[in-house]
Amino acid sequence: DADVTQTPRNRITKTGKRIMLECSQTKGHDRMYWYRQDPGLGLQLIYYSFDVKDINKGEISDGYSVSRQAQAKFSLSLESAIPNQTALYFCATSDATSGGHYNEQFFGPGTRLTVL
Amino acid sequence: GESVGLHLPTLSVQEGDNSIINCAYSNSASDYFIWYKQESGKGPQFIIDIRSNMDKRQGQRVTVLLNKTVKHLSLQIAATQPGDSAVYFCAENEGYGNKLVFGAGTILRVKS
Repeated sequence: DADVTQTPRNRITKTGKRIMLECSQTKGHDRMYWYRQDPGLGLQLIYYSFDVKDINKGEISDGYSVSRQAQAKFSLSLESAIPNQTALYFCATSDATSGGHYNEQFFGPGTRLTVL
Repeated sequence: GESVGLHLPTLSVQEGDNSIINCAYSNSASDYFIWYKQESGKGPQFIIDIRSNMDKRQGQRVTVLLNKTVKHLSLQIAATQPGDSAVYFCAENEGYGNKLVFGAGTILRVKS
């Protein structure tokens, strides 16, 4: 079974609609992240969460919101979708770091979102 | 913000040859550098990382080299196989918070 799952895997919606993308993990990690990937580009961080009570903006948070419902669940919402939010969206998880050191991030399979 | 970039967008190699994928970074304060592999339709998969106080690290068939003088990172894949065909991303960790900044990616194509 996949450790990091995302639903839906594909979604087509219209401009102005509210969309929620969901992420669940069974790795027991405290930290969760949402990234966006545009064609031919690397991943950009949208939001991240260190634990259930902690939410932080990433590089490109405008137009997005998140909710950390539980340690294992982190959802991303587009309140009013627009066409330039068409992209691949990835969720990732990691253990908490100690002393600021890096801990590997584990990625889900992605959600392909198309906004018409 | 500072960013990580790649020199070559596409690399084609013959099966069995060694591959070298390069990356330039700009944030000298980053403490870790990481290589990810992304196959079509999948999320990025961790390959190898290197801490900023090292200049070389080896894994299984892969080696990462870090040159802090010129802010350059490379991934070497030995005896490249068809299964190595993917997009490779370098990323840097911006210290506390485990936040990654990704480069644009290099497509590796392995010819049989």
